[in-house]
Amino acid sequence: SQQGEEDPQALSIQEGENATMNCSYKTSINNLQWYRQNSGRGLVHLILIRSNEREKHSGRLRVTLDTSKKSSSLLITASRAADTASYFCATGMFSGGYNKLIFGAGTRLAVHP
Amino acid sequence: EAGVAQSPRYKIIEKRQSVAFWCNPISGHATLYWYQQILGQGPKLLIQFQNNGVVDDSQLPKDRFSAERLKGVDSTLKIQPAKLEDSAVYLCASSLSRSGGSGYTFGSGTRLTVV
Repeated sequence: SQQGEEDPQALSIQEGENATMNCSYKTSINNLQWYRQNSGRGLVHLILIRSNEREKHSGRLRVTLDTSKKSSSLLITASRAADTASYFCATGMFSGGYNKLIFGAGTRLAVHP
Repeated sequence: EAGVAQSPRYKIIEKRQSVAFWCNPISGHATLYWYQQILGQGPKLLIQFQNNGVVDDSQLPKDRFSAERLKGVDSTLKIQPAKLEDSAVYLCASSLSRSGGSGYTFGSGTRLTVV
């Protein structure tokens, strides 16, 4: 079973608009990571936020984490057509001394010129 | 630095045949993962290695799937015999530390079609 659930499943916006994707999870985590996947390609690591952090920025990306609500959000500001991809949240949990990363089903983002 | 290398890129086989995938992680990365991604779903962890030892294979269908990581570097994932539901992209990833604190680096994957 998958730990994280992304919302919405699909998002369609115009270039220049902001895109917000949400992720909810069920159990305690060590960290939460966001990945991007272009069609037919591998996943690319975007950003990692630890359980004791509340917000993190990287370029046009902003990630928030609310452990009390077991939720995270990914904001992409000033979107570009090149941002069109699937975005996955992945929850990192320590088990037996090792980090175990479990992915959600993803949000498909389409940015139109 | 070189990325995670996977081969083949695509594979089409008939059901009940066997198939093997190969992965070469980033040099120095001790932890290696195999994920299965069915179309429209997120990746599902099949097996995790720390050096050449298995630390998690709870989701690996052991009656048909096997994996090894000899010498703690390259890894192979084998399916024998394949079923139609094994059609998916098989992703290999590696990380520098077992805590995964710097994120995982993924290969481009092997797309398997079982007919």
